[in-house]
Amino acid sequence: KQEVTQIPAALSVPEGENLVLNCSFTDSAIYNLQWFRQDPGKGLTSLLLIQSSQREQTSGRLNASLDKSSGRSTLYIAASQPGDSATYLCAVRGGGNQFYFGTGTSLTVIP
Amino acid sequence: DTAVSQTPKYLVTQMGNDKSIKCEQNLGHDTMYWYKQDSKKFLKIMFSYNNKELIINETVPNRFSPKSPDKAHLNLHINSLELGDSAVYFCASSPQTGNTGELFFGEGSRLTVL
Repeated sequence: KQEVTQIPAALSVPEGENLVLNCSFTDSAIYNLQWFRQDPGKGLTSLLLIQSSQREQTSGRLNASLDKSSGRSTLYIAASQPGDSATYLCAVRGGGNQFYFGTGTSLTVIP
Repeated sequence: DTAVSQTPKYLVTQMGNDKSIKCEQNLGHDTMYWYKQDSKKFLKIMFSYNNKELIINETVPNRFSPKSPDKAHLNLHINSLELGDSAVYFCASSPQTGNTGELFFGEGSRLTVL
């Protein structure tokens, strides 16, 4: 069964730093990988979607990469801001409409 | 317009009661899901429907019964509520599009059982 792990579980950085969040998965037979952001008490907002044939996707200060063969994805956040503070989750899509979620990384950006 | 909407957003009830949560999506997606998020923020799939057909039914107590009257709606009914049912329940939807579609979430329904 697919297992998705996110490291670190929590991260605290000063404003302006560039940072990397990691996501690893055990079964490389995925259709896509999605990064989400969750603010406290809110739903999940989709940040980036990378199809299995793609290597990376970019949106503003966010860049996500995918290395399917090694079972890894990274989310790079440039010039972090206090408004980036949230929990970041990754999810991989397997067959049968199944999505497998990581446990999330709680990010705090200190002004 | 909200893409995936759930009601109610908050639900506080006593043990033993029966309650329902409703979900609607206006994205034209074929597949809808119910997820449970526990206190540690882990998201666990409960059910999935594709065009009103149940396709994923994970190991959840049979007190939980989903119903999909049409492909835009997926409701969750819970009988005989227990303390351990307290959690945030998320509805989500995705297009079928050959398994490459993106997942969209509702805002969640926070259930508290007293």
